[in-house]
Amino acid sequence: DAGITQSPRHKVTETGTPVTLRCHQTENHRYMYWYRQDPGHGLRLIHYSYGVKDTDKGEVSDGYSVSRSKTEDFLLTLESATSSQTSVYFCAISNSQGNQPQHFGDGTRLSIL
Amino acid sequence: QQQVKQSPQSLIVQKGGISIINCAYENTAFDYFPWYQQFPGKGPALLIAIRPDVSEKKEGRFTISFNKSAKQFSLHIMDSQPGDSATYFCAGGGSNYKLTFGKGTLLTVNP
Repeated sequence: DAGITQSPRHKVTETGTPVTLRCHQTENHRYMYWYRQDPGHGLRLIHYSYGVKDTDKGEVSDGYSVSRSKTEDFLLTLESATSSQTSVYFCAISNSQGNQPQHFGDGTRLSIL
Repeated sequence: QQQVKQSPQSLIVQKGGISIINCAYENTAFDYFPWYQQFPGKGPALLIAIRPDVSEKKEGRFTISFNKSAKQFSLHIMDSQPGDSATYFCAGGGSNYKLTFGKGTLLTVNP
């Protein structure tokens, strides 16, 4: 799917532990996004990147940080995971500003006990 | 917060029927309106998209109708098939890199 790989695909961890999710793309797209998907809430933007080392917050950024040291990789980190961060996390990429399609990976299902 | 309101939350249609999902947006700066289709265990996939300079766009059995003055747009699925059973998301986007998504509609097409 559009050359996007998310890892891991599934993870179970405990409250208070750090967690890092990885998004890797082979499309050389400039823009990368992290969303979380929860029942009744649709897709909500956590953070996004508009270039290497250029990132900004989305609507639900509290408790999350991101890094992008090279074009192909966008990392999402939960510094100290909480049960409210149990969710399915999707990475998306786009080659242009917001009026062009975003293409999604297949997600990471994260459970925090 | 700019919202995109999507309805209904769920929809059951018989095979061969027409499925209609509606969205309303608030941000008049939006100039791109995509619809995504998502199957269980997969990421959302772009289905069809429209820009506000046209009132309708059709691709196969899927049609977007757009009403700029009412700030509304809708997805019509003609001759609905069981394979169309999925969750559908509308979204709005402008020039700020971001899309704002509706909360989704779970479509079930009964055989």
